[in-house]
Amino acid sequence: KNQVEQSPQSLIILEGKNCTLQCNYTVSPFSNLRWYKQDTGRGPVSLTIMTFSENTKSNGRYTATLDADTKQSSLHITASQLSDSASYICVVSGGSNYKLTFGKGTLLTVNP
Amino acid sequence: DSGVTQTPKHLITATGQRVTLRCSPRSGDLSVYWYQQSLDQGLQFLIQYYNGEERAKGNILERFSAQQFPDLHSELNLSSLELGDSALYFCASSPGTSGRKETQYFGPGTRLLVL
Repeated sequence: KNQVEQSPQSLIILEGKNCTLQCNYTVSPFSNLRWYKQDTGRGPVSLTIMTFSENTKSNGRYTATLDADTKQSSLHITASQLSDSASYICVVSGGSNYKLTFGKGTLLTVNP
Repeated sequence: DSGVTQTPKHLITATGQRVTLRCSPRSGDLSVYWYQQSLDQGLQFLIQYYNGEERAKGNILERFSAQQFPDLHSELNLSSLELGDSALYFCASSPGTSGRKETQYFGPGTRLLVL
């Protein structure tokens, strides 16, 4: 069964600190992995998309890594800001018809 | 603003009723996706339409149905509503079939409350 597991479930950090969110998946065959940011009550917004051959991808202060051998990805946020407070969702595309399998997300709270 | 619009923003109804949620994709996007997000489940893929045809099906209940019209807008119909159907319903769109590296653009969602 295709699954995406994220850790931690929630995280609280101070403004200006860095943090790393984890994603493990069992989706097969694998097409690509996406990270989304979702503010409370709003639709998810895409941060990065990585295919099998891409090990790292950056979008401003967000850097995603992918290890397709171990089926793990991480999202690193540097110099966090209050506006980074949101849920971060890992999504893997693969299987039949490139269906998207969503993780349950990591809820990040950045405190002043 | 993603360019995807959804109406209504909020919907309150009673068990057993039927409702219709509407989605207009970004200009030029041919694919529309529907998702359900409840507190304890995270985002669940329901169904995808591409240029008017059903493309992929996820965890969509038989009480739910959807269609995409010639102008590419889509409607999600929910019938015989139950308390457990209370959730945020998101629509997303993408230019093609999203098989490769297409980004899906999400709308603001419709919050459904079944009493």
